[in-house]
Amino acid sequence: DIQMTQSPSTLSASVGDRVTITCRASQSISRWLAWYQQTPGQAPKLLIYMASNLQSGVPSRFSGSGSGTEFTLTISSLQPDDFATYYCQQYNSYPYTFGQGTKLEIK
Amino acid sequence: QVQLVESGGGVVQPGGSLRLSCAASGFTFSNYGMHWVRQAPGKGLEWVAFIRYDGTNKYYADSVKGRFTISRDNSKNTLYLQMSSLRAEDTAVYYCAKESGSGFDIWGQGTMVTVSS
Repeated sequence: DIQMTQSPSTLSASVGDRVTITCRASQSISRWLAWYQQTPGQAPKLLIYMASNLQSGVPSRFSGSGSGTEFTLTISSLQPDDFATYYCQQYNSYPYTFGQGTKLEIK
Repeated sequence: QVQLVESGGGVVQPGGSLRLSCAASGFTFSNYGMHWVRQAPGKGLEWVAFIRYDGTNKYYADSVKGRFTISRDNSKNTLYLQMSSLRAEDTAVYYCAKESGSGFDIWGQGTMVTVSS
């Protein structure tokens, strides 16, 4: 199985900050990577697919990059709604796997 | 609008069974693969199972293989997850999600399953 490891597990930041979350795969997954945002009590929401493609309706302050085994999610200027937990997911092969999550907290 | 609505969750004793349903609307259900994903209380997301749009291919997480069965009825626009031999570690919110071809673009609101005596 492909293991996905996110860092950091928790990130404290302020409104307006630029933040980056990293996701590493245990083997190459090409660009078969998605990013999701989840707020408490809600279902996850797809933000980025194919490592760098913005899902329709997602603000342009979100961006993704990477390929192979290392990927990043960047939020260019944090807004109040962005404080949430973020997950990466590989869909290169079954079983699909998620990272453990990164909780983005208000500093 | 495009929507997935899960039902069937509840409290069940260890070793028991439960069937979850996921009703789809607002899109052509029979054209898309579907997934189940779960989330234990306070924990991260765990992919559980997938079924191809026509039901011909199915994949499972090792943690549920042999105990859970994913199925679908395209005439009813409904996805199912039959769960048996339930364990305490199966306690979670269970989400159904639509396969977009590149990620899971539509999710239900989730249904809670609690395995406890």
